[in-house]
Amino acid sequence: DQQVKQNSPSLSVQEGRISILNCDYTNSMFDYFLWYKKYPAEGPTFLISISSIKDKNEDGRFTVFLNKSAKHLSLHIVPSQPGDSAVYFCAASANSGAGSYQLTFGKGTKLSVIP
Amino acid sequence: DTGVSQDPRHKITKRGQNVTFRCDPISEHNRLYWYRQTLGQGPEFLTYFQNEAQLEKSRLLSDRFSAERPKGSFSTLEIQRTEQGDSAMYLCASSRWSPGELFFGEGSRLTVL
Repeated sequence: DQQVKQNSPSLSVQEGRISILNCDYTNSMFDYFLWYKKYPAEGPTFLISISSIKDKNEDGRFTVFLNKSAKHLSLHIVPSQPGDSAVYFCAASANSGAGSYQLTFGKGTKLSVIP
Repeated sequence: DTGVSQDPRHKITKRGQNVTFRCDPISEHNRLYWYRQTLGQGPEFLTYFQNEAQLEKSRLLSDRFSAERPKGSFSTLEIQRTEQGDSAMYLCASSRWSPGELFFGEGSRLTVL
């Protein structure tokens, strides 16, 4: 049972345009969400996170939006650059206030930014 | 390099053999995690250490798997009597706090023939 779903296995975007990666979750106990980026032959690297008390978090070209009622979050990359081409994983954690430590990951979306 | 270090990077073994992976976390991180990733999937949680204490194990971690973190520094993940289904990338990560940002190593890829 996939508790974190990334329904688009791949996405292609022109350089300079906006990339929007989507993620849905089913566990209503999730209250902390993260995005990781992964290049081939490397481990995932942290990109940006958001707590359930917020609906938006920005860091440079990256913005994460959280819609709790829809159990949906999205990552916006503006403007997209060729170096952003990677696999992006959405991850979620439950009960962060109780010191939760387990992240549940989606299957990932492969982003290709075309020059 | 002060990142998370994993060894070996690649391991090919025959079914039934035992294998051991080592992880050296970022030195100031007291939290250490093992994840497993198979083709087309995201990382799946295996186990978590806070200092030397193993606080949680996933149901994915069968009795053939054992993880240790002596003295709260490096960690080892041993798989006994390997099966072909154990073929995967084994990722180690560390962090300062949970469930905050995890710093992942490059992974140890296991192939069981």
